[in-house]
Amino acid sequence: DTGVSQDPRHKITKRGQNVTFRCDPISEHNRLYWYRQTLGQGPEFLTYFQNEAQLEKSRLLSDRFSAERPKGSFSTLEIQRTEQGDSAMYLCASSSGQGTGELFFGEGSRLTVL
Amino acid sequence: QKEVEQNSGPLSVPEGAIASLNCTYSDRGSQSFFWYRQYSGKSPELIMSIYSNGDKEDGRFTAQLNKASQYVSLLIRDSQPSDSATYLCAVTGSQGNLIFGKGTKLSVKP
Repeated sequence: DTGVSQDPRHKITKRGQNVTFRCDPISEHNRLYWYRQTLGQGPEFLTYFQNEAQLEKSRLLSDRFSAERPKGSFSTLEIQRTEQGDSAMYLCASSSGQGTGELFFGEGSRLTVL
Repeated sequence: QKEVEQNSGPLSVPEGAIASLNCTYSDRGSQSFFWYRQYSGKSPELIMSIYSNGDKEDGRFTAQLNKASQYVSLLIRDSQPSDSATYLCAVTGSQGNLIFGKGTKLSVKP
């Protein structure tokens, strides 16, 4: 399968712990996006990369959130000192950055903070 | 803050009817517009893209764009129960990211 893959699919953690999610995009895609989605809401933009460069980060994103894409391939999203409000589905998407701008989404990583 | 507004619904239509979904956006500089479909418990998938004013048809789906009114719509003809999902309007931002609305939940009744 050459789609976008995310790991882990589910994560349950206690408040105050750090968590890290990994995203492997479609191999030929140079753009990678992170979104957060809660029940009944649309995906909320967090950040995106073109190759290894982080081009934009949402102003709503707390300093507890950090994302990397060190070699322009896979990406990690780390949340430090998790809070209950961080509970959500974290979606990764990739695109070729050409033409249509279609984003291909992974299945998401669901975070539950107790 | 750039915004994309949608009526959250639910929108309920009988099977075979036309479903009409609407979206407005705040950034006049937006150039690309998309409709994504999201089934419950699944990730969004692209169903339509539109870049210029007017209509674009693809099978049972028609996207309509009016940049002067900052308005995008999606028509689904001959609606089927399998079309029941949340439809997300998305608009490109100035930095190349994609901004989503909250989505409209569509229910097609047999």
